[in-house]
Amino acid sequence: GQQLNQSPQSMFIQEGEDVSMNCTSSSIFNTWLWYKQDPGEGPVLLIALYKAGELTSNGRLTAQFGITRKDSFLNISASIPSDVGIYFCAGHTGGGNKLTFGTGTQLKVEL
Amino acid sequence: DVKVTQSSRYLVKRTGEKVFLECVQDMDHENMFWYRQDPGLGLRLIYFSYDVKMKEKGDIPEGYSVSREKKERFSLILESASTNQTSMYLCASSFVAEPNTEAFFGQGTRLTVV
Repeated sequence: GQQLNQSPQSMFIQEGEDVSMNCTSSSIFNTWLWYKQDPGEGPVLLIALYKAGELTSNGRLTAQFGITRKDSFLNISASIPSDVGIYFCAGHTGGGNKLTFGTGTQLKVEL
Repeated sequence: DVKVTQSSRYLVKRTGEKVFLECVQDMDHENMFWYRQDPGLGLRLIYFSYDVKMKEKGDIPEGYSVSREKKERFSLILESASTNQTSMYLCASSFVAEPNTEAFFGQGTRLTVV
């Protein structure tokens, strides 16, 4: 099945730094989602985006739905140790039931 | 809050056993999904269901079956467990109608087949 291209694959950053990751697709999506997964747990929904160009924040997290509807970005400001985990993007094309997931970005934060 | 609950966090089963993984959601979602997650391979869809008694194959259905007798419950069945089915299994649910199609996940079941 299709997977979205998510980059970077992994990041090792200092506490307090800002983080950016993105997700691209060859297909158009109607909805973009961002999830975080802690080790040994299921993914938790962070942000949902429903409209092209939409910019949405959730605390220190900000995500954008790309104008072309083929990409999305997630930014984390002033990272802290509990930001560690795997971040997944996901897209929904509409007219179907399935989500398409990105390959994940593993974030590690150095104190 | 949406709650998706998987019946076990950890399971150890023997090769050849029939294994049942259960998932229950309390949000009246039409869609329910089973994924497996392996390092480097991301989330792969095994089966999904969009209504009671309805099911569709995902990307990797071989060796698995599913059952949805009630709207809130979706079961994954490993007919004859094999070691290559050792994995993290994730259940999820969502509405069908846009825009609220975001999926909510359970806590996962770590299955080891020995």
